[in-house]
Amino acid sequence: GAVVSQHPSWVICKSGTSVKIECRSLDFQATTMFWYRQFPKQSLMLMATSNEGSKATYEQGVEKDKFLINHASLTLSTLTVTSAHPEDSSFYICSVEKTGTIGNEQFFGPGTRLTVL
Amino acid sequence: AQTVTQSQPEMSVQEAETVTLSCTYDTSENNYYLFWYKQPPSRQMILVIRQEAYKQQNATENRFSVNFQKAAKSFSLKISDSQLGDTAMYFCAFTSGTYKYIFGTGTRLKVLA
Repeated sequence: GAVVSQHPSWVICKSGTSVKIECRSLDFQATTMFWYRQFPKQSLMLMATSNEGSKATYEQGVEKDKFLINHASLTLSTLTVTSAHPEDSSFYICSVEKTGTIGNEQFFGPGTRLTVL
Repeated sequence: AQTVTQSQPEMSVQEAETVTLSCTYDTSENNYYLFWYKQPPSRQMILVIRQEAYKQQNATENRFSVNFQKAAKSFSLKISDSQLGDTAMYFCAFTSGTYKYIFGTGTRLKVLA
């Protein structure tokens, strides 16, 4: 398997501020990480694919200037929600892809709950 | 485009009983992978079971087994001897191995004492 951590586990911020969420792969080097968003009682929606050393690939409808993703090392990807607004309140989950496993299996972090006041 | 459909938003089962969660998908790919993930109240996504499309044999993991019908594009999850700890959201997921996972809308399972 793989161990993935996220920090912080929850955060409350004021509208208009920026929030950074970290995703760390603790036991292997991850070339590819993913960021998902999950609204209450809904499924996971892929926001973007984060590739180490290159620009992230965003899904249709996701504002890349609002959700900044940086994958500066093989163990760390960060998601920064810029100028946060209440509608950005959600549960954000990252995952790491482990190539060579069945289906290039993804291993998920514990998630970060963001509340924007 | 690939899609994953879970038609049961909520289900309940008595402890020790068996329950089956349904999942259908649509794809034109021949090689792909299917997963069932469990998301308990802690929100941590936990892999329950996986199935490779080229394998005809249904995957099993202890109390969890799948009924994989490739022609019908169906991938149901059977939970035997249900336990209170099985209470969670269950998501069916598809990937063709290129990287992207597509998740279904989930089934909320409640195991009753």
